[in-house]
Amino acid sequence: KNEVEQSPQNLTAQEGEFITINCSYSVGISALHWLQQHPGGGIVSLFMLSSGKKKHGRLIATINIQEKHSSLHITASHPRDSAVYICAVRTGAGSYQLTFGKGTKLSVIP
Amino acid sequence: EAQVTQNPRYLITVTGKKLTVTCSQNMNHEYMSWYRQDPGLGLRQIYYSMNVEVTDKGDVPEGYKVSRKEKRNFPLILESPSPNQTSLYFCASGVNNQPQHFGDGTRLSIL
Repeated sequence: KNEVEQSPQNLTAQEGEFITINCSYSVGISALHWLQQHPGGGIVSLFMLSSGKKKHGRLIATINIQEKHSSLHITASHPRDSAVYICAVRTGAGSYQLTFGKGTKLSVIP
Repeated sequence: EAQVTQNPRYLITVTGKKLTVTCSQNMNHEYMSWYRQDPGLGLRQIYYSMNVEVTDKGDVPEGYKVSRKEKRNFPLILESPSPNQTSLYFCASGVNNQPQHFGDGTRLSIL
């Protein structure tokens, strides 16, 4: 079974700061997801990666398959970015089972 | 509007009384899945479905059943609920076998 570790667990940043959230996993994967869970509980899918880098607005996600590591970056952070960010991995080509990290709670202060 | 709709949103019930949480999507997605979220444990996948009549177990399938008789619906069935199934449940749908759209969640309390 894949172990998924996120760091940090909690992160407080000042508005405008560059933020990095990390995700490491123990077994080779076929895909990795980044999700955002708002304070009200709703979940939004941000990215799915199998290699390289993806960018959407101020969000950038990267993955290093050899090092079994992914990062989610937020540039010019804003209080509306305050949420829990969750990493999930899909292990193996024939399986669509997902294993989740426990999440990183981000608070951006004005 | 693209939507994943779960019902009910909240339910308090008693041990052993069968219940069904419905999930419906209007995007013609082939992939649908169920998750539970618990404090300290995070999200865990219960079941997923890659198409009509095709379902498979996630990490924590014990005590749950699902069915996928039509593309738009993926109900979660608790035949004999127990207190350890008290949780926040999410349904999701997507293309390319990935969750892209999530429902608003169902908070279940089993006494």
